[in-house]
Amino acid sequence: DQQVKQNSPSLSVQEGRISILNCDYTNSMFDYFLWYKKYPAEGPTFLISISSIKDKNEDGRFTVFLNKSAKHLSLHIVPSQPGDSAVYFCAACSSNTGKLIFGQGTTLQVKP
Amino acid sequence: GAGVSQTPSNKVTEKGKYVELRCDPISGHTALYWYRQSLGQGPEFLIYFQGTGAADDSGLPNDRFFAVRPEGSVSTLKIQRTERGDSAVYLCASSLNGGINTGELFFGEGSRLTVL
Repeated sequence: DQQVKQNSPSLSVQEGRISILNCDYTNSMFDYFLWYKKYPAEGPTFLISISSIKDKNEDGRFTVFLNKSAKHLSLHIVPSQPGDSAVYFCAACSSNTGKLIFGQGTTLQVKP
Repeated sequence: GAGVSQTPSNKVTEKGKYVELRCDPISGHTALYWYRQSLGQGPEFLIYFQGTGAADDSGLPNDRFFAVRPEGSVSTLKIQRTERGDSAVYLCASSLNGGINTGELFFGEGSRLTVL
């Protein structure tokens, strides 16, 4: 039972354009959502998060949108840079639990 | 270093052998997590420690897997009678206080386990 799904295994965009990564979840108990970025041979690193009481959180070039009714969140990167090329994982959890549930990941390639 | 340290970075073993993977969290972080990542998949939760005790071990796949954190710092993931399906990257993470929404997890680089 995949509670967090990233249905696009890969995405390719041109430098300077917007990258949009999508994530769907099924568990209505999830109330905190995070995006992690992973380079090869490294562990995932935290990028941005959003609580279920918000529908948008912005940090520089990165914005996460949450649509609770659709159980959908997305990560927007604008403008995209070649250094953004990595695997992006969506993750979700219930408040104060230690159990982050990850999606399968989306590999982003930003072409110069 | 200042980050989460995992050893060994690579481990190749034969089916049926015993394996230990070590995690040294960021100093002062009370919460420690073990995840497993198979090829093409996202990290899969195994176990979460708050201090010395396992707060949630519901992700351990079976009784061949066991983890300890005796002094509330370093943790060891132990796998008995390894099987080929155990081959994966085992990721350790720590956070300051535990509870995901009080702070993000800091991951180590992982220990790649290959069972032949």
